[in-house]
Amino acid sequence: DQQVKQNSPSLSVQEGRISILNCDYTNSMFDYFLWYKKYPAEGPTFLISISSIKDKNEDGRFTVFLNKSAKHLSLHIVPSQPGDSAVYFCAAILSSDSGYALNFGKGTSLLVTP
Amino acid sequence: EPEVTQTPSHQVTQMGQEVILRCVPISNHLYFYWYRQILGQKVEFLVSFYNNEISEKSEIFDDQFSVERPDGSNFTLKIRSTKLEDSAMYFCASSETGEAFFGQGTRLTVV
Repeated sequence: DQQVKQNSPSLSVQEGRISILNCDYTNSMFDYFLWYKKYPAEGPTFLISISSIKDKNEDGRFTVFLNKSAKHLSLHIVPSQPGDSAVYFCAAILSSDSGYALNFGKGTSLLVTP
Repeated sequence: EPEVTQTPSHQVTQMGQEVILRCVPISNHLYFYWYRQILGQKVEFLVSFYNNEISEKSEIFDDQFSVERPDGSNFTLKIRSTKLEDSAMYFCASSETGEAFFGQGTRLTVV
């Protein structure tokens, strides 16, 4: 049961342009969303998060937008740099007192070309 | 900067053998997790651990799997009798509150 979906397996963007990575989810009870970046042979690295009570969170070149009515979030990278080339995973959680499980999407492979 | 460390980086084992994957979470974190990623597939949740017990586990985490925090610093994942389909990258993660921090992963190859 795929609760978090990233429908674009890959994306290619020119350096300096905007990269937009999309993510859809099905469980309206998710209360926290995260984006992770992953290089080959490395563990996922936390990038940015957003609480379900917000619709935007910005950190430098990275902005995450949340549209709860559409159950959709997106990650914007502006301007894109070649070092941003990686696989980006969207994740969602239901927080609880006993911790939480991250529900990952399948990932979108971003290639930023010079 | 504190980080989650995992050993070994690569483990090759024969089918049917037991393996133990080791993790040292970030020291002040309270929640611990194991995830895995089969080549070409998504990262999958296996188990979460809090207050010295399993708090949540997925359907993947069957009787072949167990976790332990033997000494207050290490967090281990044991697979009792490995199968070919257990070949994957196994990631340990820990969190205080909010986002989880991942280790570099252990590549398990079952032959």
